[in-house]
Amino acid sequence: GQQVMQIPQYQHVQEGEDFTTYCNSSTTLSNIQWYKQRPGGHPVFLIQLVKSGEVKKQKRLTFQFGEAKKNSSLHITATQTTDVGTYFCPSGYSTLTFGKGTMLLVSP
Amino acid sequence: NAGVTQTPKFQVLKTGQSMTLQCAQDMNHEYMSWYRQDPGMGLRLIHYSVGAGITDQGEVPNGYNVSRSTTEDFPLRLLSAAPSQTSVYFCASSFHRDRVGYTFGSGTRLTVV
Repeated sequence: GQQVMQIPQYQHVQEGEDFTTYCNSSTTLSNIQWYKQRPGGHPVFLIQLVKSGEVKKQKRLTFQFGEAKKNSSLHITATQTTDVGTYFCPSGYSTLTFGKGTMLLVSP
Repeated sequence: NAGVTQTPKFQVLKTGQSMTLQCAQDMNHEYMSWYRQDPGMGLRLIHYSVGAGITDQGEVPNGYNVSRSTTEDFPLRLLSAAPSQTSVYFCASSFHRDRVGYTFGSGTRLTVV
């Protein structure tokens, strides 16, 4: 997998607020995948982006892949307590390099 | 139920003991990987396999061995457990270039005393 840096490492929001996490690479990525890990749980695959400028939506979640395929973002609209967890953005196929992810805490 | 099965879920070892963490998947996935997760460190790749009979090292392979004699199974062996190997271990599998990403097992929480 290719190394991707993710920011912020941690964010605490009030329920209803929006949230965005960003992933950046110094090299062009073949793809980017997004995973969510709930506290005490295992990572769960959310989506994969492969095309330059690609935008995909899953209900309140919007995923974007940059035009240069070097960055990606996940935006959550109107967060809910069920969004709590750590979000990861690894790249690759046969191997994935996960990094530390972004931990999201949502207060009711 | 289709998925990745890890056993055991919890294990306590004494320093110097050896053990095998089991991982099995019934989805006919070619790719399988082992990760360890420590607080503040994210997920780090230990070993991976792209098919039966083929394995390779990841980011943190020291102290661990793997084998892939069948498509379904990918056991992780701790040769001589050390306190630094206290961690949560996840096994994951995927098809080649699959759009549905990796499926993870529920993890093994290992404590070495």
